Amino acid sequence: DVVMTQSPLSLPVTLGQPASISCRSSQSLVHSDGNTFLSWFQQRPGQSPRRLIYQVSNRDSGVPDRFSGSGSGTDFTLRISRVEAEDVGVYYCFQGAHWPQAFGQGTKVEI
Amino acid sequence: EVQLVESGGGLVQPGGSLRLTCAASGFTFSSYWMQWVRQVPGKGLVWVSNINSDGSSTNYGDSVKGRFTISRDNAKNTLYLQMNSLRVEDTAVYYCASWTSMTSFCVWGQGTTVTVSS
Repeated sequence: DVVMTQSPLSLPVTLGQPASISCRSSQSLVHSDGNTFLSWFQQRPGQSPRRLIYQVSNRDSGVPDRFSGSGSGTDFTLRISRVEAEDVGVYYCFQGAHWPQAFGQGTKVEI
Repeated sequence: EVQLVESGGGLVQPGGSLRLTCAASGFTFSSYWMQWVRQVPGKGLVWVSNINSDGSSTNYGDSVKGRFTISRDNAKNTLYLQMNSLRVEDTAVYYCASWTSMTSFCVWGQGTTVTVSS
Protein backbone atom coordinates (compact mmCIF):
# COMPACT_ATOMS: atom_id res chain seq x y z
CA ASP A 1 0.00 0.00 0.00
CA VAL A 2 1.08 3.59 -0.63
CA VAL A 3 2.08 5.43 2.54
CA MET A 4 1.65 9.19 2.67
CA THR A 5 4.01 11.02 5.03
CA GLN A 6 3.45 14.66 5.92
CA SER A 7 5.83 17.06 7.62
CA PRO A 8 5.71 18.83 9.88
CA LEU A 9 2.82 17.37 11.87
CA SER A 10 2.44 20.65 13.75
CA LEU A 11 3.08 24.03 12.18
CA PRO A 12 2.98 27.21 14.23
CA VAL A 13 2.42 30.14 11.89
CA THR A 14 2.40 33.92 12.03
CA LEU A 15 -0.43 35.89 10.49
CA GLY A 16 0.64 37.42 7.20
CA GLN A 17 3.64 35.13 6.86
CA PRO A 18 4.05 32.23 4.43
CA ALA A 19 3.72 28.59 5.41
CA SER A 20 4.36 25.29 3.68
CA ILE A 21 3.55 21.64 4.26
CA SER A 22 5.39 18.72 2.71
CA CYS A 23 3.87 15.42 1.64
CA ARG A 24 5.82 12.42 0.43
CA SER A 25 4.41 9.22 -0.99
CA SER A 26 6.07 5.81 -0.85
CA GLN A 27 5.37 5.31 -4.56
CA SER A 28 5.03 7.63 -7.50
CA LEU A 29 1.53 9.09 -7.77
CA VAL A 30 1.69 9.31 -11.54
CA HIS A 31 -1.20 7.20 -12.77
CA SER A 32 -0.97 5.02 -15.85
CA ASP A 33 -3.09 7.64 -17.63
CA GLY A 34 -0.37 10.23 -17.04
CA ASN A 35 -2.24 12.24 -14.41
CA THR A 36 -0.91 12.72 -10.89
CA PHE A 37 -3.64 12.16 -8.33
CA LEU A 38 -2.49 14.14 -5.32
CA SER A 39 -4.98 16.35 -3.52
CA TRP A 40 -4.96 18.56 -0.44
CA PHE A 41 -7.82 18.83 2.03
CA GLN A 42 -8.40 21.32 4.82
CA GLN A 43 -10.38 20.61 7.98
CA ARG A 44 -11.18 23.60 10.12
CA PRO A 45 -12.01 22.98 13.79
CA GLY A 46 -15.46 21.47 14.17
CA GLN A 47 -16.08 21.28 10.42
CA SER A 48 -16.15 18.64 7.74
CA PRO A 49 -13.12 18.55 5.47
CA ARG A 50 -13.04 20.41 2.18
CA ARG A 51 -10.71 20.01 -0.74
CA LEU A 52 -8.33 22.83 -1.64
CA ILE A 53 -6.21 21.37 -4.42
CA TYR A 54 -6.58 18.50 -6.89
CA GLN A 55 -4.08 16.97 -9.29
CA VAL A 56 -1.14 18.58 -7.48
CA SER A 57 -1.76 22.21 -8.35
CA ASN A 58 -5.36 22.89 -9.38
CA ARG A 59 -7.30 25.02 -6.92
CA ASP A 60 -10.90 24.10 -6.22
CA SER A 61 -13.62 26.67 -6.77
CA GLY A 62 -13.76 29.28 -4.05
CA VAL A 63 -10.29 28.51 -2.69
CA PRO A 64 -8.27 31.69 -2.14
CA ASP A 65 -5.29 32.11 -4.43
CA ARG A 66 -2.96 32.31 -1.42
CA PHE A 67 -3.13 28.50 -1.47
CA SER A 68 -0.96 26.76 -4.03
CA GLY A 69 0.22 23.23 -4.64
CA SER A 70 3.29 21.93 -6.36
CA GLY A 71 5.41 18.84 -6.77
CA SER A 72 5.73 15.72 -8.83
CA GLY A 73 6.29 12.00 -8.54
CA THR A 74 6.58 11.39 -4.80
CA ASP A 75 7.24 14.86 -3.36
CA PHE A 76 4.54 17.48 -2.99
CA THR A 77 4.07 20.80 -1.21
CA LEU A 78 1.13 22.93 -0.13
CA ARG A 79 1.97 26.59 0.31
CA ILE A 80 0.04 29.41 1.92
CA SER A 81 1.49 32.70 0.74
CA ARG A 82 0.16 34.80 3.62
CA VAL A 83 -1.53 33.00 6.48
CA GLU A 84 -4.88 34.33 7.64
CA ALA A 85 -6.73 33.48 10.84
CA GLU A 86 -9.29 31.37 8.97
CA ASP A 87 -6.50 29.04 7.78
CA VAL A 88 -6.20 27.44 11.22
CA GLY A 89 -6.97 23.74 11.04
CA VAL A 90 -5.57 20.42 9.90
CA TYR A 91 -4.34 19.86 6.37
CA TYR A 92 -4.21 16.44 4.72
CA CYS A 93 -2.64 15.28 1.52
CA PHE A 94 -4.43 12.45 -0.28
CA GLN A 95 -3.42 10.04 -3.00
CA GLY A 96 -5.94 8.67 -5.45
CA ALA A 97 -3.50 7.02 -7.84
CA HIS A 98 -3.31 3.58 -6.27
CA TRP A 99 -5.67 1.26 -4.36
CA PRO A 100 -6.27 1.62 -1.50
CA GLN A 101 -6.43 5.40 -1.61
CA ALA A 102 -4.91 7.09 1.43
CA PHE A 103 -4.61 10.29 3.41
CA GLY A 104 -1.49 11.59 5.06
CA GLN A 105 -1.43 11.87 8.87
CA GLY A 106 -2.41 15.52 8.82
CA THR A 107 -0.59 18.74 9.67
CA LYS A 108 -2.07 20.96 12.34
CA VAL A 109 -1.68 24.64 11.52
CA GLU A 110 -2.08 27.00 14.43
CA ILE A 111 -1.35 30.65 15.02
CA GLU B 1 -27.64 23.45 -3.04
CA VAL B 2 -25.25 20.54 -3.32
CA GLN B 3 -25.67 18.47 -0.17
CA LEU B 4 -24.91 15.12 1.43
CA VAL B 5 -26.67 14.05 4.61
CA GLU B 6 -25.55 10.98 6.52
CA SER B 7 -27.67 9.00 8.95
CA GLY B 8 -27.73 5.63 10.64
CA GLY B 9 -24.95 6.06 13.16
CA GLY B 10 -25.32 4.94 16.75
CA LEU B 11 -24.15 2.64 19.48
CA VAL B 12 -23.59 -1.01 18.62
CA GLN B 13 -21.93 -3.90 20.42
CA PRO B 14 -18.75 -5.50 19.12
CA GLY B 15 -19.62 -8.07 16.49
CA GLY B 16 -22.79 -6.24 15.59
CA SER B 17 -23.94 -4.60 12.37
CA LEU B 18 -25.02 -1.15 11.28
CA ARG B 19 -26.04 0.40 7.98
CA LEU B 20 -25.15 3.98 7.21
CA THR B 21 -27.10 6.01 4.68
CA CYS B 22 -26.10 9.12 2.76
CA ALA B 23 -28.77 11.12 0.96
CA ALA B 24 -27.56 13.28 -1.89
CA SER B 25 -29.21 16.33 -3.40
CA GLY B 26 -28.39 19.25 -5.66
CA PHE B 27 -26.25 17.34 -8.15
CA THR B 28 -26.57 14.45 -10.59
CA PHE B 29 -25.83 11.68 -8.09
CA SER B 30 -25.75 8.94 -10.72
CA SER B 31 -22.81 10.60 -12.49
CA TYR B 32 -20.36 10.63 -9.60
CA TRP B 33 -18.17 8.26 -7.65
CA MET B 34 -18.99 8.25 -3.96
CA GLN B 35 -16.70 7.84 -0.97
CA TRP B 36 -16.83 6.93 2.71
CA VAL B 37 -14.16 8.42 4.96
CA ARG B 38 -13.93 7.99 8.72
CA GLN B 39 -12.28 9.88 11.52
CA VAL B 40 -11.71 8.97 15.14
CA PRO B 41 -12.33 12.19 17.10
CA GLY B 42 -9.08 14.08 17.44
CA LYS B 43 -7.34 11.86 14.90
CA GLY B 44 -6.78 11.89 11.15
CA LEU B 45 -8.93 11.09 8.15
CA VAL B 46 -9.02 7.50 6.96
CA TRP B 47 -10.35 6.55 3.55
CA VAL B 48 -12.79 3.64 3.91
CA SER B 49 -14.40 2.79 0.60
CA ASN B 50 -15.66 4.09 -2.71
CA ILE B 51 -18.02 3.09 -5.49
CA ASN B 52 -18.23 4.12 -9.11
CA SER B 53 -21.14 5.96 -10.62
CA ASP B 54 -23.22 2.94 -11.64
CA GLY B 55 -22.29 0.77 -8.69
CA SER B 56 -20.42 -1.82 -10.72
CA SER B 57 -17.02 -1.22 -9.09
CA THR B 58 -16.17 -0.95 -5.41
CA ASN B 59 -12.96 -0.53 -3.44
CA TYR B 60 -12.13 -0.85 0.25
CA GLY B 61 -9.44 0.02 2.71
CA ASP B 62 -7.53 -2.87 4.24
CA SER B 63 -9.04 -2.38 7.69
CA VAL B 64 -12.64 -2.89 6.51
CA LYS B 65 -12.26 -5.26 3.57
CA GLY B 66 -14.50 -8.29 3.95
CA ARG B 67 -16.58 -6.67 6.70
CA PHE B 68 -18.02 -3.52 5.08
CA THR B 69 -20.03 -3.28 1.87
CA ILE B 70 -20.65 -0.08 -0.04
CA SER B 71 -23.63 0.22 -2.36
CA ARG B 72 -25.83 2.84 -3.96
CA ASP B 73 -29.34 3.33 -5.27
CA ASN B 74 -29.21 5.90 -8.05
CA ALA B 75 -33.00 6.01 -8.30
CA LYS B 76 -33.11 7.19 -4.69
CA ASN B 77 -29.92 9.32 -4.81
CA THR B 78 -28.68 7.35 -1.83
CA LEU B 79 -25.37 5.81 -0.80
CA TYR B 80 -25.05 3.05 1.78
CA LEU B 81 -22.38 1.48 3.93
CA GLN B 82 -23.26 -1.88 5.43
CA MET B 83 -20.93 -2.53 8.35
CA ASN B 84 -20.74 -6.07 9.76
CA SER B 85 -18.54 -7.70 12.40
CA LEU B 86 -17.95 -4.31 13.96
CA ARG B 87 -14.95 -3.81 16.18
CA VAL B 88 -14.18 -1.27 18.89
CA GLU B 89 -11.63 0.26 16.53
CA ASP B 90 -14.39 1.04 14.00
CA THR B 91 -15.62 3.74 16.37
CA ALA B 92 -15.45 7.00 14.44
CA VAL B 93 -17.31 9.74 12.66
CA TYR B 94 -18.19 8.47 9.19
CA TYR B 95 -18.31 10.98 6.37
CA CYS B 96 -19.94 10.53 3.01
CA ALA B 97 -18.20 12.48 0.26
CA SER B 98 -17.97 12.85 -3.46
CA TRP B 99 -15.16 14.34 -5.48
CA THR B 100 -13.75 14.18 -8.96
CA SER B 101 -10.06 14.01 -9.69
CA MET B 102 -10.38 15.86 -12.99
CA THR B 103 -12.63 18.81 -12.13
CA SER B 104 -13.37 21.14 -9.26
CA PHE B 105 -16.17 19.15 -7.65
CA CYS B 106 -16.04 18.09 -4.03
CA VAL B 107 -18.77 17.77 -1.45
CA TRP B 108 -18.78 16.31 2.08
CA GLY B 109 -21.54 15.50 4.49
CA GLN B 110 -21.57 16.53 8.11
CA GLY B 111 -20.76 13.03 9.33
CA THR B 112 -22.53 10.43 11.46
CA THR B 113 -21.06 8.93 14.62
CA VAL B 114 -20.61 5.21 15.07
CA THR B 115 -19.69 3.91 18.51
CA VAL B 116 -18.79 0.26 18.97
CA SER B 117 -18.79 -0.63 22.64
CA SER B 118 -20.11 -3.22 25.03
